[in-house]
Amino acid sequence: GNSVTQMEGPVTLSEEAFLTINCTYTATGYPSLFWYVQYPGEGLQLLLKATKADDKGSNKGFEATYRKETTSFHLEKGSVQVSDSAVYFCALPGGTSYGKLTFGQGTILTVHP
Amino acid sequence: DADVTQTPRNRITKTGKRIMLECSQTKGHDRMYWYRQDPGLGLRLIYYSFDVKDINKGEISDGYSVSRQAQAKFSLSLESAIPNQTALYFCATSGEVNEQFFGPGTRLTVL
Repeated sequence: GNSVTQMEGPVTLSEEAFLTINCTYTATGYPSLFWYVQYPGEGLQLLLKATKADDKGSNKGFEATYRKETTSFHLEKGSVQVSDSAVYFCALPGGTSYGKLTFGQGTILTVHP
Repeated sequence: DADVTQTPRNRITKTGKRIMLECSQTKGHDRMYWYRQDPGLGLRLIYYSFDVKDINKGEISDGYSVSRQAQAKFSLSLESAIPNQTALYFCATSGEVNEQFFGPGTRLTVL
């Protein structure tokens, strides 16, 4: 089935620093790809997605480009804020069963003032 | 009001006790999921249901059972809780596309 490997954390940055969290995947075909974010004490929420190769998903200053050549979907932000401190999960459909998602292990991001 | 709610939000119990975690949704979705989250392991799927009459095991279903009482309700039970079931549990729903919507989570501690 499909799988995802996510950059191990934790990641600690100063405010306004550049962020990259790596995500690579193994999949049959070209499935949609997702980044979810989990703020402290909350459930996961969708941050951005890309539905086909070369698409760029973006939201709240975060971006990720679906790269089929390198089977990657790295998350980037040019200038992080303290409020971006959270856990970030890369995900893709789990396989042939529609609706299921397979998640990476999560990357903890801490941003200091 | 939240679209996906979970009760209780926190629960401490003892080994051997039966526990039920409840999930309700107002999104009108047919598909519902139960996950557990452990540090460093991401989310792992316990059970999922694509409609009221359809229940499927996920990757870690041993020691758990579920009940889909209605389209809007999906409960997770631990028949005899053990300490390694201490974790954060999430319910989620999805509609016609792969995007999932999560509840706030239930923190379960088994002593």
